[in-house]
Amino acid sequence: EAGVTQFPSHSVIEKGQTVTLRCDPISGHDNLYWYRRVMGKEIKFLLHFVKESKQDESGMPNNRFLAERTGGTYSTLKVQPAELEDSGVYFCASSSDRFPYEQYFGPGTRLTVT
Amino acid sequence: AQKITQTQPGMFVQEKEAVTLDCTYDTSDPSYGLFWYKQPSSGEMIFLIYQGSYDQQNATEGRYSLNFQKARKSANLVISASQLGDSAMYFCAMREGQGYNTDKLIFGTGTRLQVFP
Repeated sequence: EAGVTQFPSHSVIEKGQTVTLRCDPISGHDNLYWYRRVMGKEIKFLLHFVKESKQDESGMPNNRFLAERTGGTYSTLKVQPAELEDSGVYFCASSSDRFPYEQYFGPGTRLTVT
Repeated sequence: AQKITQTQPGMFVQEKEAVTLDCTYDTSDPSYGLFWYKQPSSGEMIFLIYQGSYDQQNATEGRYSLNFQKARKSANLVISASQLGDSAMYFCAMREGQGYNTDKLIFGTGTRLQVFP
């Protein structure tokens, strides 16, 4: 069974540009989460999808971040326009309905904004 | 406010020895869950072990055990018989409550464990 995959693994962009991160959850997992770790700080929750619906987006930092999960499969996280403080590692995780608290993480996308 | 504290930024242990990674938490919710994740240099986060707040016994998974002391609000990870492959970053995390609305995890800052021969 394939795990959670994320693309790209690294992205370097200039301030003001747009970047889109993609996450493919484990097949059949209805729950999808986005987290990020800014350098030296703890990993922080961004938002939670249940299928295609945003269940909790309390962690989204501002309206420059837009997450979508069309069709309830993969998800994208767009940052537009990117700022320096957006640099960090963005993790995606998924879990099943049956065991919603067993979150399986992807390898993360390292975003560097210069 | 909910919080996870990992006070050890780095730990060293010799191969085959046991090591304890500390984690304390703060929550006012009587229902919560505690997790440990391992992040090797490759970057992925690997789920290790889970402890529910109502579980009567400490969780164990192979060489990993969770020393859960509810009154002290601590959930230390014990790795027995350390192996070189255990060298990684370890994160303690907490989930509060039950149901979809509260499945987000709150993480500590992590402990970097290095196992030497």
